[in-house]
Amino acid sequence: RKEVEQDPGPFNVPEGATVAFNCTYSNSASQSFFWYRQDCRKEPKLLMSVYSSGNEDGRFTAQLNRASQYISLLIRDSKLSDSATYLCVVNPPRDDKIIFGKGTRLHILP
Amino acid sequence: SQTIHQWPATLVQPVGSPLSLECTVEGTSNPNLYWYRQAAGRGLQLLFYSVGIGQISSEVPQNLSASRPQDRQFILSSKKLLLSDSGFYLCAWSVPYEQYFGPGTRLTVT
Repeated sequence: RKEVEQDPGPFNVPEGATVAFNCTYSNSASQSFFWYRQDCRKEPKLLMSVYSSGNEDGRFTAQLNRASQYISLLIRDSKLSDSATYLCVVNPPRDDKIIFGKGTRLHILP
Repeated sequence: SQTIHQWPATLVQPVGSPLSLECTVEGTSNPNLYWYRQAAGRGLQLLFYSVGIGQISSEVPQNLSASRPQDRQFILSSKKLLLSDSGFYLCAWSVPYEQYFGPGTRLTVT
């Protein structure tokens, strides 16, 4: 099992719809989790942290399922500007290296 | 607030030429620093990370090297570039786990 796995997509979703994607991780002792957004030919930017209790920021909701070892990102009322690649990030314990998934491409269709 | 600078933004270099990319961070002390490469349409590949001045860990054996001469300065170098070195080079810092990226350098080796 890869350290961090994501469905590469692309997810083609009509504007206004709700979309969700998951990210699985292999190290059950991983401590912290994040979602990043990367626009085409730009640097990744931190979207949100993922807490054990879940995290909501406007239209975005991130959740952690430790039992099944995955995190999820839900986007409600999707906008054209949400089109991007979403990277899952996992921080293993006692390590300075953060592990990035390869990303899920999202296309919001008008 | 913290900022991270990278230069140059774009670079075209012939095969066999040397390379030096610089990254500086402002507004934080003793950050962990990272160099990543992202080939076209691919995920992020961690090249080097540093937890302090003069402390460099290499993730992938290759013709690249890194140095950290000052607390907030991280340099990526090569003595002789290969075609396969083309890509998007990103510097990042973290304190402690959330990573923040610079704008990146797009390198094309011809």
